[in-house]
Amino acid sequence: EAGVAQSPRYKIIEKRQSVAFWCNPISGHATLYWYQQILGQGPKLLIQFQNNGVVDDSQLPKDRFSAERLKGVDSTLKIQPAKLEDSAVYLCASTLRRTGETQYFGPGTRLLVL
Amino acid sequence: EDKVVQSPLSLVVHEGDTVTLNCSYEVTNFRSLLWYKQEKKAPTFLFMLTSSGIEKKSGRLSSILDKKELFSILNITATQTGDSAVYLCAAQGGSEKLVFGKGTKLTVNP
Repeated sequence: EAGVAQSPRYKIIEKRQSVAFWCNPISGHATLYWYQQILGQGPKLLIQFQNNGVVDDSQLPKDRFSAERLKGVDSTLKIQPAKLEDSAVYLCASTLRRTGETQYFGPGTRLLVL
Repeated sequence: EDKVVQSPLSLVVHEGDTVTLNCSYEVTNFRSLLWYKQEKKAPTFLFMLTSSGIEKKSGRLSSILDKKELFSILNITATQTGDSAVYLCAAQGGSEKLVFGKGTKLTVNP
């Protein structure tokens, strides 16, 4: 079974630029999560999708971050404009259903904002 | 506010030692406690605990949950250099999202 795929693996941008990350969850997984992991911290949930609907985006900085999952499969996370404090690893995870399931993580995208 | 606290934050041991990693949690409508191992990449799943007092084992790793004391431990016996990683604890509450601790960085020296 293929795992969660993410791209790019690394990205370096200057502050105020825009960046987008892509995630392809495990086939058939209805629930998709985006996490932000700052160095030395545990992952923090940014947004949770159930199919193509948003379940929880309470910790997403909506003034600069946006995410979509239009067809209920792939998802993109965008930052516009980026700030220095956005430097982190962005992890995508998926589960088959919504509750009580183990989340499977992708390799992450490491973002550095200069 | 939901929170998960792990201790110690960092631990250095020698191969063959036994280690115990701690995780305490406060989440509303607790559902489950998960442990992940994170090397220089994505977290990989180790255990999910939902019932108090039932130990889960996988090889040299084991974990147990105490729902009364809001606490879990992860034990690793006969440590190997390949066990070096950050071990993350996460609690799932009524909102269904996972709240992660900061992790324990384990270094196993030969």
